[in-house]
Amino acid sequence: GAVVSQHPSRVICKSGTSVKIECRSLDFQATTMFWYRQFPKQSLMLMATSNEGSKATYEQGVEKDKFLINHASLTLSTLTVTSAHPEDSSFYICSARDPAPGFSFSYNSPLHFGNGTRLTVT
Amino acid sequence: SQQGEEDPQALSIQEGENATMNCSYKTSINNLQWYRQNSGRGLVHLILIRSNEREKHSGRLRVTLDTSKKSSSLLITASRAADTASYFCATDEAAGNKLTFGGGTRVLVKP
Repeated sequence: GAVVSQHPSRVICKSGTSVKIECRSLDFQATTMFWYRQFPKQSLMLMATSNEGSKATYEQGVEKDKFLINHASLTLSTLTVTSAHPEDSSFYICSARDPAPGFSFSYNSPLHFGNGTRLTVT
Repeated sequence: SQQGEEDPQALSIQEGENATMNCSYKTSINNLQWYRQNSGRGLVHLILIRSNEREKHSGRLRVTLDTSKKSSSLLITASRAADTASYFCATDEAAGNKLTFGGGTRVLVKP
């Protein structure tokens, strides 16, 4: 089945530094990837939609200059948290759609998720 | 506000019992999906039900969809301790290529 790999799984950084999180689709090409943020015991909040070869689409209230997204290839999207602060500490998860057989259009297919990145900013 | 609202927020049952959780949403959808998340991990897709379907089964899972009431339910039959996880519904909205997740139901299955 489709696999999405996310790295690193955990990162601790000091306030003011930047952190890059990678999301790779291992056995399929993903023109679109999605970045979510999750607080403890809460749901996933969509931050942005990453589009290969073009600018990401950010959800309302998400600072695009703080959360830089680059989707340079059909298998890799990166999220960079710039000038991180303790309030940026969270669980970040990426996902991608795999247009599996039986689905006539990609948006009917399920999402495949990475295992998430636990970011702690001290 | 979230597109999907789930209830209950938490559920504790004995192994062998059934677990039922519900999801309500607000807008028109292409499909509704259920996901499972073990603590500190990513989400795993369980089942997808299209807007023109009313019921779907997959193993011990049964999902219903009532588009007139904008609601869905997930039933896990004969639960096992390994079913302990958080379960999320997600709506694939008719307008836009994105999934919106509900608040989730934390299920604890006691052995």
